[in-house]
Amino acid sequence: DTGVSQNPRHKITKRGQNVTFRCDPISEHNRLYWYRQTLGQGPEFLTYFQNEAQLEKSRLLSDRFSAERPKGSFSTLEIQRTEQGDSAMYLCASSPGTSGGAYQETQYFGPGTRLLVL
Amino acid sequence: AQSVTQPDIHITVSEGASLELRCNYSYGATPYLFWYVQSPGQGLQLLLKYFSGDTLVQGIKGFEAEFKRSQSSFNLRKPSVHWSDAAEYFCAVIQGGKLIFGQGTELSVKP
Repeated sequence: DTGVSQNPRHKITKRGQNVTFRCDPISEHNRLYWYRQTLGQGPEFLTYFQNEAQLEKSRLLSDRFSAERPKGSFSTLEIQRTEQGDSAMYLCASSPGTSGGAYQETQYFGPGTRLLVL
Repeated sequence: AQSVTQPDIHITVSEGASLELRCNYSYGATPYLFWYVQSPGQGLQLLLKYFSGDTLVQGIKGFEAEFKRSQSSFNLRKPSVHWSDAAEYFCAVIQGGKLIFGQGTELSVKP
């Protein structure tokens, strides 16, 4: 079990540019989640997938944000036309998640991607 | 909507002293509760979780937490703090499959 991995770990971009982050979940985990964390705050939910299906999106996820999980394995989160307010840590998590219960619901987090928009 | 409150933004304890971090939740049914720890610039590591059964749950690194339904609390405790415990601690509840986090408590450890 190699854990959840995220790339890149850090990204600096200029306002208006597009960025894409990748998340590789724990193998055989069916659910994959994206959260955003700003300085001094707890993580906030953005979206999640059950296999390749995107089941829920937060109101925080504006039209400039898109997430995919094309084959039910890794996921990408793209931000178009970045704004300074997008600067944050983007966290990915995964869980077994095929049904309810303690084991299925427990989420394991990756190291995060820190985005700075200049 | 469910919510989680961590009343203490920052706590400082001496190394070797006991620790209690407070967490209160708002939830209608029996909640699924978690404590995570985050070191600077890192992701979140799961410390422990409560789903049902015994209200005192043991976690990693010598941490434990007690679920008290009457007080809507899930406080995290450790009998003797180590300098390496300095980090940010988050309490969270599951809502509709997604985690709702508190604001976090930053723990500093004095030598």
